[in-house]
Amino acid sequence: LAKTTQPISMDSYEGQEVNITCSHNNIATNDYITWYQQFPSQGPRFIIQGYKTKVTNEVASLFIPADRKSSTLSLPRVSLSDTAVYYCLVSGPGANNLFFGTGTRLTVIP
Amino acid sequence: EAGVAQSPRYKIIEKRQSVAFWCNPISGHATLYWYQQILGQGPKLLIQFQNNGVVDDSQLPKDRFSAERLKGVDSTLKIQPAKLEDSAVYLCASSLWDALEYEQYFGPGTRLTVT
Repeated sequence: LAKTTQPISMDSYEGQEVNITCSHNNIATNDYITWYQQFPSQGPRFIIQGYKTKVTNEVASLFIPADRKSSTLSLPRVSLSDTAVYYCLVSGPGANNLFFGTGTRLTVIP
Repeated sequence: EAGVAQSPRYKIIEKRQSVAFWCNPISGHATLYWYQQILGQGPKLLIQFQNNGVVDDSQLPKDRFSAERLKGVDSTLKIQPAKLEDSAVYLCASSLWDALEYEQYFGPGTRLTVT
């Protein structure tokens, strides 16, 4: 079971780029890395998923080094509405393979 | 498309009582998940269904929790009897297939308070 470690909290000013790193030293060959965003009183929402190298979509980029033992979620030019908890999830095939860590609470400051 | 529906949104019960939560996943999604999220923590997977079969229930406290997914669509999660430590938000999620490559869509959750 690949557990994850993330910073508990981060602060950023509006308009800045934010990078949140997740450590997953025990990631298995078939595991994927997924990031979710959660606002208060809501369920988590998918942001981005990747296996290796770099993935980019309309809201974020995900950087995964060759050893895959960590990953970095990059949010370009954050706004106040990006204030939320961000979870890194490593998942693989079969049972006992879904583990959300404690997440990173991002606070965007005006 | 309609999202994952859950009911009720809030429930308050006394310890040792029973409670049931209902989830209707997105149409066509084969996989359904129930998570428990305690305040300040990340979601913890309780049980994962693929169609109407159980893929993973290793973290489900089976002495008091039970879940079923009839006909591979709707699902219910039951707690009997409830304990104080069961106070949490219970999240239901669904995905097209397994979470390996398919994103999970979460419902709004049911906030359970056990007094």
